[in-house]
Amino acid sequence: DAKTTQPNSMESNEEEPVHLPCNHSTISGTDYIHWYRQLPSQGPEYVIHGLTSNVNNRMASLAIAEDRKSSTLILHRATLRDAAVYYCILRDFDAGGTSYGKLTFGQGTILTVHP
Amino acid sequence: EAQVTQNPRYLITVTGKKLTVTCSQNMNHEYMSWYRQDPGLGLRQIYYSMNVEVTDKGDVPEGYKVSRKEKRNFPLILESPSPNQTSLYFCASSFIAGYGYNEQFFGPGTRLTVL
Repeated sequence: DAKTTQPNSMESNEEEPVHLPCNHSTISGTDYIHWYRQLPSQGPEYVIHGLTSNVNNRMASLAIAEDRKSSTLILHRATLRDAAVYYCILRDFDAGGTSYGKLTFGQGTILTVHP
Repeated sequence: EAQVTQNPRYLITVTGKKLTVTCSQNMNHEYMSWYRQDPGLGLRQIYYSMNVEVTDKGDVPEGYKVSRKEKRNFPLILESPSPNQTSLYFCASSFIAGYGYNEQFFGPGTRLTVL
């Protein structure tokens, strides 16, 4: 499986933008880039995903490098509720078999948001 | 409200006493999965199910059993719990179609302590 690399931790101030980076230099052409986050004492929750183009949804934006070897999750205005562990995960849409469905979580980035 | 529920949320038990953690989803998802989360090891998949009566091992299945008799339910069974199964457990579900890009929904977690 292609691996991702994320900083262990990042800090932000409330209402400021946050850019969470993820490196995935061995990404394959059939890998989607997914982001999940885990708020304290909760299960992981889906944030956003993309394949090649930048993506926006109500929670965040995902900027994908042209060579797809890195991506950045953007929280436009961080709130205290955004303090969580953020996971960047690659999902191969052509995998099937025993790889199907499994999310391979790394250590993620711990985001601290200061009031 | 679309959700994955788990029960119990907290459980303290003793070695060898059989227990079941229930998981239920109301989204008509075909795919369901169990993960455990341990400090320093992240989330690891225990078992998964592609549909009713179809289950398979994940990365860490030893000491666990599952069943899928109904589409909405996917209980995790510990026949003879041991202290090394003390962990935080998450159930997840998703549709199968478009598995590279579909999102998984996670339950709130069950914190199990085996004495």
